[in-house]
Amino acid sequence: EAGVAQSPRYKIIEKRQSVAFWCNPISGHATLYWYQQILGQGPKLLIQFQNNGVVDDSQLPKDRFSAERLKGVDSTLKIQPAKLEDSAVYLCASSHQGAGEQYFGPGTRLTVT
Amino acid sequence: AQRVTQPEKLLSVFKGAPVELKCNYSYSGSPELFWYVQYSRQRLQLLLRHISRESIKGFTADLNKGETSFHLKKPFAQEEDSAMYYCALSGGDDKIIFGKGTRLHILP
Repeated sequence: EAGVAQSPRYKIIEKRQSVAFWCNPISGHATLYWYQQILGQGPKLLIQFQNNGVVDDSQLPKDRFSAERLKGVDSTLKIQPAKLEDSAVYLCASSHQGAGEQYFGPGTRLTVT
Repeated sequence: AQRVTQPEKLLSVFKGAPVELKCNYSYSGSPELFWYVQYSRQRLQLLLRHISRESIKGFTADLNKGETSFHLKKPFAQEEDSAMYYCALSGGDDKIIFGKGTRLHILP
């Protein structure tokens, strides 16, 4: 089966600019996650979707971050405006509902200068 | 509060020597525990989960509820085991909390 796809793989922007990341989960996976991984730390959940509904966005900085999953398949994560501390790898993952195991994409490395 | 602690940021082990990556957790219910691994230039992937009770690539991990630990072990390290290892916990709601990770470096 094809894995989780993400684009772009790398992005460099200046602070206060906006950026968007795209994720295509494994076909049939109802649950989709966005994580932020800062250098030297483990992935931190930003938002979890079940089909096209938000299950948990308690750690999403909603003043600048937004995410959507239209039609319950692809998802986009947006940052506007970016701050220096947003520099991180943004990981997308998907899973069957209740499966526990998550399948990760390659990530997008964001550098904010 | 739910928490996963991996006390070692870096673990260096000689090839052929035993490996133990430590993981302790804090959770008020019955969690599911995982080990995820990220090899160089590859994506994060599941290595094993405690409910499977299986050995993957020679690695095993036993859930010790009394000590709230889920240490990852391998009797004889191989060079291809060099990677970043993350211990993770799920409370049964499909969400996973990750530890900060331990980099395992196998010395020749």
